[in-house]
Amino acid sequence: EVQLLESGGGLVQPGGSLRLSCAASGFMFNIYAMNWVRQAPGKGLEWVSVISGRGDTTYYADSVKGRFTISRDNSKNTLYLQMNSLRAEDTAVYYCAKPLRGLARDAFDVWGQGTMVIVSS
Amino acid sequence: EIVLTQSPGTLSLSPGERATLSCRATQSVSSNYLAWYQQKPGQAPRLLISGASNRATGIPDRFSGSGSGTDFTLTISRLEPEDFAVYYCQQYGSAWTFGQGTKVEIK
Repeated sequence: EVQLLESGGGLVQPGGSLRLSCAASGFMFNIYAMNWVRQAPGKGLEWVSVISGRGDTTYYADSVKGRFTISRDNSKNTLYLQMNSLRAEDTAVYYCAKPLRGLARDAFDVWGQGTMVIVSS
Repeated sequence: EIVLTQSPGTLSLSPGERATLSCRATQSVSSNYLAWYQQKPGQAPRLLISGASNRATGIPDRFSGSGSGTDFTLTISRLEPEDFAVYYCQQYGSAWTFGQGTKVEIK
């Protein structure tokens, strides 16, 4: 069974940092691009970042560019999101999501359960 | 950036009725790279449709997607009780963006 399990969320002060993890299982992780998508409380979905299967290509939403870094460890089947200089508007549930056929330009057919990040003093 | 606008914001219907949801893009979506998702409270989104009209694995055939270019539609032919949820469109042809969602509620 294909599964994604996020962890690392929590309460952090404005300006602080947090690293999210997403443990993948049930598919050939190293050949799939992977994404982070977030959802602020009561709001819609916002794509955050994508990384290629080999980890050599990354893209970011303008709202997080320069503050967030996506990375992966294919030996551990794990995706990461390092979040620095956090702001109140970064408060959201963060999901990792797998593309349907592995390509970056694809719909997301598997999602994790999400991890909540709260940025507040 | 391609902006997706979904309409209506809320759709109030009864079980058994037909639901028609619209998603309009500010620019043509290349290769019809348009997906639809369903999300229920407290759950992650679920992929329904990819490539504008291809049902995902396990999705009932009462769900169908159509459209091209800048105008796309998700149709639920006969609403079942479990279909009342929020629906999002997403384009993945030029970066990745989501619409703001359409809530389908019980009338």
